[in-house]
Order: sequence, then structure tokens, then C-alpha cells
Amino acid sequence: EAQVTQNPRYLITVTGKKLTVTCSQNMNHEYMSWYRQDPGLGLRQIYYSMNVEVTDKGDVPEGYKVSRKEKRNFPLILESPSPNQTSLYFCASSATGNYGYTFGSGTRLTVV
Amino acid sequence: QKEVEQDPGPLSVPEGAIVSLNCTYSNSAFQYFMWYRQYSRKGPELLMYTYSSGNKEDGRFTAQVDKSSKYISLFIRDSQPSDSATYLCAMRASGVGNTPLVFGKGTRLSVIA
Repeated sequence: EAQVTQNPRYLITVTGKKLTVTCSQNMNHEYMSWYRQDPGLGLRQIYYSMNVEVTDKGDVPEGYKVSRKEKRNFPLILESPSPNQTSLYFCASSATGNYGYTFGSGTRLTVV
Repeated sequence: QKEVEQDPGPLSVPEGAIVSLNCTYSNSAFQYFMWYRQYSRKGPELLMYTYSSGNKEDGRFTAQVDKSSKYISLFIRDSQPSDSATYLCAMRASGVGNTPLVFGKGTRLSVIA
């Protein structure tokens, strides 16, 4: 089944404790992206990757890092999480980057 | 003015009704237009997409783009309780590199049996 898999689905952590949210897609898509979704603010892009070793900042990149060492994986790293990073995070991938984005099921992160 | 405006609702309609969902936008560079459906506790799923202006129909769903008015619409005919979800419009400019998807904030729809 074609899908984007994120782990974990739920995570509660403490301020300052480094964490990684993994994202993997099995569709051989070149484009991958991370979004956060917050009430009243909608979906906002954090980081974007057009291909292996090619990443770019989105609208809200502060406090996040990403890497794209393999085509299928695009982990999101929070080096020192803070409470304002409490949010619902989605990874998405696309073959062309124009439309047809496939989203993962989301990771609900709470930073206390 | 926000780049993409979408009425958040909530919108409640009886089963069988025709539903009209709309977004307006300000960036004339947008060329790719999409509608996503998001069920509670799930990721958005692509419902319809169009390039530039025009209409596109898929079963009970019709997407319309009017670039002259910077206005896009999604119509749902014979709405069903299973259509109850949040509907997100999204759009993107053409170009090489990261021209990101810009989402509306979503309209929550409830179809009552």
C-alpha cells in the first residue's frame, strides 16, 4: 500500500530534550515536506526537500532541523524542544511537487 | 490580507444537500489548486486538483477555479454523513524549487442524517 509513515503518533516530552520524528514513504517520491497544524493557524510548512541532500526552509523553520540522506526518509529533528512547538505534525510527499501530496497520519507532540 | 482565506464554518447541512465550499486568495501567481479532506485524527487526503482556471468533476464533487476573481470552489452534490470532515483548500505557484503549498484554514462540514 502506497503510504507515508510517521512515528511516533503521539509524544509527550520535556523542554530541551532532543527528539526525532521519523517519516518514510514507499512511493519513490522526490518531494517531501513537513507541516505543523495549529488551531486557528492551519497548516504551515516547516521544511521541504526536493531530493536527496536538497532541503529548504518553509514558513516556520525556527527550532527544527531536517535531513534527507535517503530518498524514502525525511526525519524532523527538534534539538531543544520548547512548549510553543506543541502541535500536530504532518509529513507529506509528492512525485512532482505540484499537487498530489500524500500525507502521513500525523504526530501529536506535546512539550511540557 | 492573508494569502488564502477560507470560512472556517462550522457548516451543518442535511443529508442530500448541495454543499458549496469556497476560498479566496490574493497571490495571482498561484496556478495549482487543490482540495483536501481531513477526517478527525487523520492526515489530509487529496480530493480534487486543477491547474489554472476551469472546472473539474469527479463523481459527486466539482471543483471550480476563477482566476480573474481569485476564487475557488468545491461543490458536493447529494451530500452524505460520510462527507463530514474538514475541507482544506490549498494552492501553489508554478516555478522551480520550493514554491510551497499554501493552505486555507479549513471549513468544518457536518452532514446530518
